[in-house]
Amino acid sequence: RKEVEQDPGPFNVPEGATVAFNCTYSNSASQSFFWYRQDCRKEPKLLMSVYSSGNEDGRFTAQLNRASQYISLLIRDSKLSDSATYLCVVKDNAGNMLTFGGGTRLMVKP
Amino acid sequence: DGGITQSPKYLFRKEGQNVTLSCEQNLNHDAMYWYRQDPGQGLRLIYYSQIVNDFQKGDIAEGYSVSREKKESFPLTVTSAQKNPTAFYLCASSIASTSGELFFGEGSRLTVL
Repeated sequence: RKEVEQDPGPFNVPEGATVAFNCTYSNSASQSFFWYRQDCRKEPKLLMSVYSSGNEDGRFTAQLNRASQYISLLIRDSKLSDSATYLCVVKDNAGNMLTFGGGTRLMVKP
Repeated sequence: DGGITQSPKYLFRKEGQNVTLSCEQNLNHDAMYWYRQDPGQGLRLIYYSQIVNDFQKGDIAEGYSVSREKKESFPLTVTSAQKNPTAFYLCASSIASTSGELFFGEGSRLTVL
């Protein structure tokens, strides 16, 4: 079983739609969680950190469920520019290393 | 502008040749990393360095070597011992190894013919 698992997609949604991705992690000792965005053939960039209480940044909402060991990303009112691959990242504080999921590809269509 | 510069962006090499990928950062970050990304897979850690003159193996270090003689520079050598070297290589840095925010270079796409 992979340490961090994501549905690879693609998720094809129309502009204006709400879309949600989940990511599961296997290491219960994981302490920090992040979503990164990667455009096609480009480098990943930090989208947002995921806090225990959940957090929102504009149209993006991230949630953490420790009991079930998953994190989620909700995108409201999708824009064409949201088309990208979203990478779930988990940090184990013991080793300070980041483990990346395989990414979920989102395609927003007009 | 502060950032991370990787070179070359694209590189073609014959099998059996060693290749060195450059990574330079002017962010004054202590920690630097090399990742490999294959299609449909997540980033896999090759080597990392928490401080100058020190580096550690990541999950897939076999067939690779690094050095960290200067804080700004963390070159990666892909040796002929690496069985499947064709990949997208990403260098990253963070202010410290405890940080969850990595800043990535634009990547180097290596194709071995």
